[in-house]
Amino acid sequence: AQTVTQSQPEMSVQEAETVTLSCTYDTSESNYYLFWYKQPPSRQMILVIRQEAYKQQNATENRFSVNFQKAAKSFSLKISDSQLGDTAMYFCAFRAAQKLVFGQGTRLTINP
Amino acid sequence: DGGITQSPKYLFRKEGQNVTLSCEQNLNHDAMYWYRQDPGQGLRLIYYSQIVNDFQKGDIAEGYSVSREKKESFPLTVTSAQKNPTAFYLCASSTLHRLSSYNSPLHFGNGTRLTVT
Repeated sequence: AQTVTQSQPEMSVQEAETVTLSCTYDTSESNYYLFWYKQPPSRQMILVIRQEAYKQQNATENRFSVNFQKAAKSFSLKISDSQLGDTAMYFCAFRAAQKLVFGQGTRLTINP
Repeated sequence: DGGITQSPKYLFRKEGQNVTLSCEQNLNHDAMYWYRQDPGQGLRLIYYSQIVNDFQKGDIAEGYSVSREKKESFPLTVTSAQKNPTAFYLCASSTLHRLSSYNSPLHFGNGTRLTVT
């Protein structure tokens, strides 16, 4: 069974700083997809970024980028120039079949 | 605008009563999902469905039931057999492409907060 682990329950940084959220996963699949979702206080789940395992190039979406290390089964999210609106729960997720498996989440607070 | 509608936003029930949470989507997505969210545990899959009249148990299906009579609708019933029903419930949907369905992200509704006393 696939598992996803986020080892940082909470993080806090100052506005405009860069922050990296960690995620590791365990699987025997060779092809799969990884996602980061954001859940602000409204509790709406919002897709931040996704990565296909067979692509070596790390995905980037504006201020958000990932560091995908397939051999280490690591998928960290970097947020550059953090903004107050980035305050949210962040979930890492893994998909190799119809099911999407989520990590426990990291609560990120951006301080003014 | 296309999206997923969950209703109601807040739901209160007495212990021992069954309750049904609504989920409707107009995205023309084939697959639909129900997740439960508890503090510190992330999202856990209850049930999912890939086509009408077919659904599969997720990781925590005990005490729940679903139906998929229409492509647009995937209601979840929380039965009296569910021992800890108080939680936040999220419905989601995604496309099913023949070659790359797993790349499709899930689109989520706004959730229903169920409180059972």
